[in-house]
Amino acid sequence: DVKVTQSSRYLVKRTGEKVFLECVQDMDHENMFWYRQDPGLGLRLIYFSYDVKMKEKGDIPEGYSVSREKKERFSLILESASTNQTSMYLCASSLFGTGPNNEKLFFGSGTQLSVL
Amino acid sequence: ELKVEQNPLFLSMQEGKNYTIYCNYSTTSDRLYWYRQDPGKSLESLFVLLSNGAVKQEGRLMASLDTKARLSTLHITAAVHDLSATYFCAVDSISSNTGKLIFGQGTTLQVKP
Repeated sequence: DVKVTQSSRYLVKRTGEKVFLECVQDMDHENMFWYRQDPGLGLRLIYFSYDVKMKEKGDIPEGYSVSREKKERFSLILESASTNQTSMYLCASSLFGTGPNNEKLFFGSGTQLSVL
Repeated sequence: ELKVEQNPLFLSMQEGKNYTIYCNYSTTSDRLYWYRQDPGKSLESLFVLLSNGAVKQEGRLMASLDTKARLSTLHITAAVHDLSATYFCAVDSISSNTGKLIFGQGTTLQVKP
């Protein structure tokens, strides 16, 4: 089974701190994604990556950056955390290519980030 | 811009009853996904619908897709408490099969004994 592991289940940070959220997948997936989940808004895509050292902005990239130095690891960085970034962050991965199962996302368990 | 809207956002129902969750999307897409999220847990894939008229069923859940109407439905038959969860639909935002999914707001289902 695909396993997507997020390093922290809960994080509490202060405004202005630099925050790193780590995600590792063990199935050699090319695609990796970071979403944030907020009540009533569903999941919104922050950034995604199709390959090592490659990244593309999603729908809400402002205030975030990402890093993908190795295929299995995709990091989300909050350069200067703000209270409006308090949210649940979900990492996901999928295979690249055609076919419905290739696009099916496998999610990590999420990181609940609170910025005080 | 692709938008995905679910209706209703919250559903409280009695065990044994039937109900349908609706998922509308705004632009052409040829595949639609349904996910389930239990409280405090991550998302789990339920169904992948690939073409117009596609229907998939597992247990008490049945999903269908009408690409012409840009509508998918998730039908719950004879609900049981174990189905209590939040259900998301999602659509691939680009036809190039990138896996970049746009999600609906989610429908929280509460099944009461």
